[in-house]
Amino acid sequence: DGGITQSPKYLFRKEGQNVTLSCEQNLNHDAMYWYRQDPGQGLRLIYYSQIVNDFQKGDIAEGYSVSREKKESFPLTVTSAQKNPTAFYLCASSINSGTSYEQYFGPGTRLTVT
Amino acid sequence: EDKVVQSPLSLVVHEGDTVTLNCSYEVTNFRSLLWYKQEKKAPTFLFMLTSSGIEKKSGRLSSILDKKELSSILNITATQTGDSAIYLCAGGTSYGKLTFGQGTILTVHP
Repeated sequence: DGGITQSPKYLFRKEGQNVTLSCEQNLNHDAMYWYRQDPGQGLRLIYYSQIVNDFQKGDIAEGYSVSREKKESFPLTVTSAQKNPTAFYLCASSINSGTSYEQYFGPGTRLTVT
Repeated sequence: EDKVVQSPLSLVVHEGDTVTLNCSYEVTNFRSLLWYKQEKKAPTFLFMLTSSGIEKKSGRLSSILDKKELSSILNITATQTGDSAIYLCAGGTSYGKLTFGQGTILTVHP
């Protein structure tokens, strides 16, 4: 059963703590992406990776970090430097980012920081 | 900076109505325009448009791209309550990056 999984579904953290969101895909997609969605807003790109061991900053990378050690996995760390971390985080993947194929999304993680 | 703007931001209609959602884009190295439907969590893919003037159709939904006007529309005919969702459009570059609009919240009343 192919797809993208994100865990956990809900995450609660205290301010000042780093937190890592998991994203795994078994679609054999080369490219993976992290987006943030705030209420009433569209998706904003945080980081993306087109191949293993390489990734690029998106439009709102400050306060976030990623790694891409395996093709299937693209974890996102929300650091204490991120000023407004409470949001809905979506991970996506696509077959080949070079031709802008459609991106498929995971179910998302809702992070609440108090 | 790439930019995608959708209108209207929200729309309330009754079942059976036809709706048109608009999307305009300013994307460097533009390659494609994508439409997604988001009901509760993950956006689901609807259409990808790369050629101007060619309509894509899926059931009651259809979409067309106008590269001259840098815009796209999504039409939904004979709306149903199940069409209630956020509709997102995104401009895609030749290297795979998507820039999303703010979304249109569609509410269909019975």
